[in-house]
Amino acid sequence: NAGVTQTPKFRVLKTGQSMTLLCAQDMNHEYMYWYRQDPGMGLRLIHYSVGEGTTAKGEVPDGYNVSRLKKQNFLLGLESAAPSQTSVYFCASSPSRVPLYGYTFGSGTRLTVV
Amino acid sequence: KQEVTQIPAALSVPEGENLVLNCSFTDSAIYNLQWFRQDPGKGLTSLLLIQSSQREQTSGRLNASLDKSSGRSTLYIAASQPGDSATYLCAVIRRQAAGNKLTFGGGTRVLVKP
Repeated sequence: NAGVTQTPKFRVLKTGQSMTLLCAQDMNHEYMYWYRQDPGMGLRLIHYSVGEGTTAKGEVPDGYNVSRLKKQNFLLGLESAAPSQTSVYFCASSPSRVPLYGYTFGSGTRLTVV
Repeated sequence: KQEVTQIPAALSVPEGENLVLNCSFTDSAIYNLQWFRQDPGKGLTSLLLIQSSQREQTSGRLNASLDKSSGRSTLYIAASQPGDSATYLCAVIRRQAAGNKLTFGGGTRVLVKP
């Protein structure tokens, strides 16, 4: 089925370790986003991309880096994980013609940093 | 800055009763408003998308209304069922938001008791 796929689904990291979360979409969407969801904080935007080769900061970008080398993939990197980055991470995509179409979300990656 | 509020934060109703979920936003200059459902430990599933020019959208037992002038949207779920138990999130895209970023409400957690 078409949609947004996130890998991995679960991960436990030690403080200081690095990792990359992968998001892939097969809907030919221009825009892609990374959100984190925390209890009491709701969903907050980390970084986003409006096209291949472009990235921009969202609401809470510190401690994260992103890359969009291919239109269908959006990678989220943690260079030195901290316990404050324990969260559920969601990737989303949307066509550029937002007024007509909404967002599609992936199923999430649950990350624990110990 | 756009702020989105959902009240109440939690709601419990007996099976068969109609559900009324509220969403308010501070900036009426929006492209659209989207309602999502999130089951525990799962991702976000899009329920309804209302364009700024529309007053309501319907899908099966679900009906969402939009009143831009008052900054409000309401999601109605008719004849609730235990399977409707989930968290419901609303989100808006401001016209001035670069990259068409979504701003989420905190969600309403719904429990439908058999």
